[in-house]
Amino acid sequence: EPEVTQTPSHQVTQMGQEVILRCVPISNHLYFYWYRQILGQKVEFLVSFYNNEISEKSEIFDDQFSVERPDGSNFTLKIRSTKLEDSAMYFCASRVEADLPGQPQHFGDGTRLSIL
Amino acid sequence: GESVGLHLPTLSVQEGDNSIINCAYSNSASDYFIWYKQESGKGPQFIIDIRSNMDKRQGQRVTVLLNKTVKHLSLQIAATQPGDSAVYFCAGVTGRRNTPLVFGKGTRLSVIA
Repeated sequence: EPEVTQTPSHQVTQMGQEVILRCVPISNHLYFYWYRQILGQKVEFLVSFYNNEISEKSEIFDDQFSVERPDGSNFTLKIRSTKLEDSAMYFCASRVEADLPGQPQHFGDGTRLSIL
Repeated sequence: GESVGLHLPTLSVQEGDNSIINCAYSNSASDYFIWYKQESGKGPQFIIDIRSNMDKRQGQRVTVLLNKTVKHLSLQIAATQPGDSAVYFCAGVTGRRNTPLVFGKGTRLSVIA
């Protein structure tokens, strides 16, 4: 069964450094998402992306964050200057064309980001 | 916006028993609900979904019930197995195309062998 894949599985970064989290969505999916989950808390929406532009973003997704689909397969989340509170699991999700009813978002296994 | 929550943070059941996990939602405009399972160290995994024009949907060993009158849905797992141990989240969405999922905190299901 097709999967959303994320790399790396664990990223350790010094505070203030830039980090790029990578995702390869399922190949025929057109809608892409980033979520994060701080340890012990619920999964929170960051941003959605469709047709090469951001569709919606949450309050968490401030100017330090950006997303890009640099080619036909990758979908990246960049944090420009990381803060301690950015430490979390980051999940990428994708979804097939939304005209089909009941098409759920499929999630990757996440990247654990640890800011030192 | 959507607000989705769960009644209980933890649930322990004996292997072989049935499990019932509950969820309440606040947005009456929600027309689609999804249950996800999250195992330790993994991402949320789709289990089953239901549209608001239904009140029951069955999958393999799982059933979702939707009560729109009281804005409540439940996930029933038949013959619970150790592999069912995980955190279970419900999420509700409206009919907009690119709606982000709003998750509750989840219920941790522990299966006692």
